[in-house]
Amino acid sequence: QVQLVQSGAEVKKPGASVKVSCKASGYTFTSYAIHWVRQAPGQRLEWLGWINAGNGDTKYSKNFQDRVTINRDTSANTAYMQLSSLRSEDTAVYYCARAEDSKSHFMYWGQGTLVTVSS
Amino acid sequence: EIVLTQSPATLSLSPGERATLSCRASQSVTRYLAWYQQKPGQAPRLLIYDASNRATGIPARFSGSGSGTDFTLTISSLDPEDFAVYYCQQRSNWPLTFGGGTKVEIK
Repeated sequence: QVQLVQSGAEVKKPGASVKVSCKASGYTFTSYAIHWVRQAPGQRLEWLGWINAGNGDTKYSKNFQDRVTINRDTSANTAYMQLSSLRSEDTAVYYCARAEDSKSHFMYWGQGTLVTVSS
Repeated sequence: EIVLTQSPATLSLSPGERATLSCRASQSVTRYLAWYQQKPGQAPRLLIYDASNRATGIPARFSGSGSGTDFTLTISSLDPEDFAVYYCQQRSNWPLTFGGGTKVEIK
């Protein structure tokens, strides 16, 4: 069965960076895309960007373009999302989700990773 | 950016009642709209994609309709497990965006 398992919770100071991993199993990793979505406390879901796990192409939300980097390691069936210059407003649960392609809905989700930004 | 506005913010209903949730887009998304259910501490669960297609394993009491800018999610008879928050999401334009959610609570 398709599974996306994310890395554990992180606590970071303002200005730092965080890197969250998403390990895929149960399907051919390079045949699908991985998207990243976050949810701040009490807020709506917010899309950060996506990666074509096959060729590595990426696209980012303009809201995060200067601060987010998404990449993947095909040998480990794992995608990564790095967010830099963290501020308190970045405190959120970060999810990875599998998609058919770039513009997609999301059938499979990771369990979420809580990132807390606090001095 | 396409803004999705969901209404009402909260819906108070009893088990067995019919729930009707609305999602309005700031510009046409044709039929590229999905609905998700989210319970506390869990990831969203895909219910409906491309306006009216039920995702695998989703009960028939969930149905979606609409096109262009106005969409509806209907739960024909609320089961106790259906009390949750529901989000819509468009995949027509970049960036992908989500609505603000409708909380379906027990009356």
